[in-house]
Amino acid sequence: QVQLVQSGAEVKKPGASVKVSCKASGYTFTSYYMHWVRQAPGQGLEWMGIINPSGGSTSYAQKLQGRVTMTRDTSTSTVYMELSSLRSEDTAVYYCARGVGATHNWFDPWGQGTLVTVSS
Amino acid sequence: QSVLTQPPSVSGAPGQRVTISCTGSSSNIGAGYDVHWYQQLPGTAPKLLIYGNSNRPSGVPDRFSGSKSGTSASLAISGLQAEDEADYYCQSYDSSLSGRYVFGTGTKVTVL
Repeated sequence: QVQLVQSGAEVKKPGASVKVSCKASGYTFTSYYMHWVRQAPGQGLEWMGIINPSGGSTSYAQKLQGRVTMTRDTSTSTVYMELSSLRSEDTAVYYCARGVGATHNWFDPWGQGTLVTVSS
Repeated sequence: QSVLTQPPSVSGAPGQRVTISCTGSSSNIGAGYDVHWYQQLPGTAPKLLIYGNSNRPSGVPDRFSGSKSGTSASLAISGLQAEDEADYYCQSYDSSLSGRYVFGTGTKVTVL
């Protein structure tokens, strides 16, 4: 079955960087885009960006431009999301989600989530 | 800063029908982009509930239905059950410069 398994929780200090991984299985990794979505405590969902695992091209939400980098490793079917210059507002659960649909995606399935806590 | 607006909460007794609205604009839903819905049970990742405005993935009960008209969409839950108590989010695509994929503000469904 299609499955996305993310790395474990992280605690970082303000100004540091964090890198979260998402390992895909059960489908052809390079055939589907991958998205990252985050959810601050008690808040809604926020789309962060998208990566094409086939060629590695990316597109990021405007508010995160310059701080977020998404990469992939096709040999291990893993995508990565790195967020730099962390601040307290970046404390959230970070999800990867496979993009489905020919043009504009919906998200299915989702990873289990990775809690990133930014605290001094 | 979600661009799709949902009511913060809706509630209903078991067996009743509730609806959740999702209001957008001419750069997203009104531009013809599809709307998708997700259910998020407490402490878990979101799960796809409806895709392409009105399609249910396999395994989703037919109590859940979706529709879209103009700049809005709706999710209906008929025969409300205790297990439906969760947060629900709509999602679409936006052609403006501020972002590409957008979510609704989220709605908490409470079963009385």
